Amino acid sequence: DSGVTQTPKHLITATGQRVTLRCSPRSGDLSVYWYQQSLDQGLQFLIQYYNGEERAKGNILERFSAQQFPDLHSELNLSSLELGDSALYFCASSNPSGGADTQYFGPGTRLTVL
Amino acid sequence: AQRVTQPEKLLSVFKGAPVELKCNYSYSGSPELFWYVQYSRQRLQLLLRHISRESIKGFTADLNKGETSFHLKKPFAQEEDSAMYYCALRLGSGNTGKLIFGQGTTLQVKP
Repeated sequence: DSGVTQTPKHLITATGQRVTLRCSPRSGDLSVYWYQQSLDQGLQFLIQYYNGEERAKGNILERFSAQQFPDLHSELNLSSLELGDSALYFCASSNPSGGADTQYFGPGTRLTVL
Repeated sequence: AQRVTQPEKLLSVFKGAPVELKCNYSYSGSPELFWYVQYSRQRLQLLLRHISRESIKGFTADLNKGETSFHLKKPFAQEEDSAMYYCALRLGSGNTGKLIFGQGTTLQVKP
């Protein structure tokens, strides 16, 4: 068990709605990353936070936003949902100060947009 | 542009046969490469990091900078090795970084 937790496990919602995905990193990890896994796009990096600050941005839509809180948990907000947003959303965490920056993944949140 | 290529979408072998999952990368800097395994769309689990040169579950991978490759090998495949394997390249330095993943290779080990 990598220690990264994500809630909820599954989410079913309708187009146009807004959802929030939550991630708690491993104890001691300051970095949180969000990835989207879909059948057509594969695994895509969305965004990284380090100790509350945004550090890197990938192919994240403007309808999506994220933040990392003082307790280091992170939330990914997806709004104006479209059918194409249906995917598995993974959170990962790491401790860059430990030398090798290995990312450990959570179990994911499966989002279905109907 | 930085890119990770896994040319095989599916690799099917018989139990006991050798396995080689190919990974090529494109990156001008000093690469940090990883192999992750995903069983039945569960979480990605770290399998190997090139810097540690370790062997996990009998798998090894050697970074070949000349050929820009990081192929994953196992001498004798087991049925429980059946899974999706992703090669990943870390971009960034210090506290900033992201993983670029290949498209993944499904390994199917037949009895």
